[in-house]
Amino acid sequence: NAGVTQTPKFQVLKTGQSMTLQCAQDMNHNSMYWYRQDPGMGLRLIYYSASEGTTDKGEVPNGYNVSRLNKREFSLRLESAAPSQTSVYFCASSEETGGRQPQHFGDGTRLSIL
Amino acid sequence: AQSVTQLGSHVSVSEGALVLLRCNYSSSVPPYLFWYVQYPNQGLQLLLKYTSAATLVKGINGFEAEFKKSETSFHLTKPSAHMSDAAEYFCAVIASSGGYNKLIFGAGTRLAVHP
Repeated sequence: NAGVTQTPKFQVLKTGQSMTLQCAQDMNHNSMYWYRQDPGMGLRLIYYSASEGTTDKGEVPNGYNVSRLNKREFSLRLESAAPSQTSVYFCASSEETGGRQPQHFGDGTRLSIL
Repeated sequence: AQSVTQLGSHVSVSEGALVLLRCNYSSSVPPYLFWYVQYPNQGLQLLLKYTSAATLVKGINGFEAEFKKSETSFHLTKPSAHMSDAAEYFCAVIASSGGYNKLIFGAGTRLAVHP
């Protein structure tokens, strides 16, 4: 049972490049989340999907877009990367519908923007 | 608005000693509170959660937390630290904002365990 799988694990981009971070869960969970983690700031919610077919903005959505492709997959896209988006990105999922509290996290994608 | 404050960004204990990680919350409504643990190069794992049932909540790996409304606290404890407990710990609260509920995390406390 893989849980929440994120790809890639590491990525370096140049300013202005675009990229999609992939996330898939195999637990048949309804809600999925994207967070970013920065030193001394805990985790901040970028976007979430309370159920298949819905997505909503979190605390820090600017510069990002998401797609809930199906129940398993929830991708995060950076259209024009900026150095301020250098961070560790975590995808998470939870069984409940409504997008309140993540239960399972992936191992993260470490993204550097030069 | 709901928020959490974790007191102490770094805590160091000896193996076998009591672990106490402090978290205070601010909430105008009965809060839902959580503790997560993050091991190096991994995502977060849910340790335990308080959802207005018993005030003493037991979690995984021998951790527990007590909800104290009078002190607006939800401190995490473990009677005897193991080397494997070395990790970063996050307190979090459910907050309502903009018509939806979301999880607000504290800044984290890094726990070091010495032999």
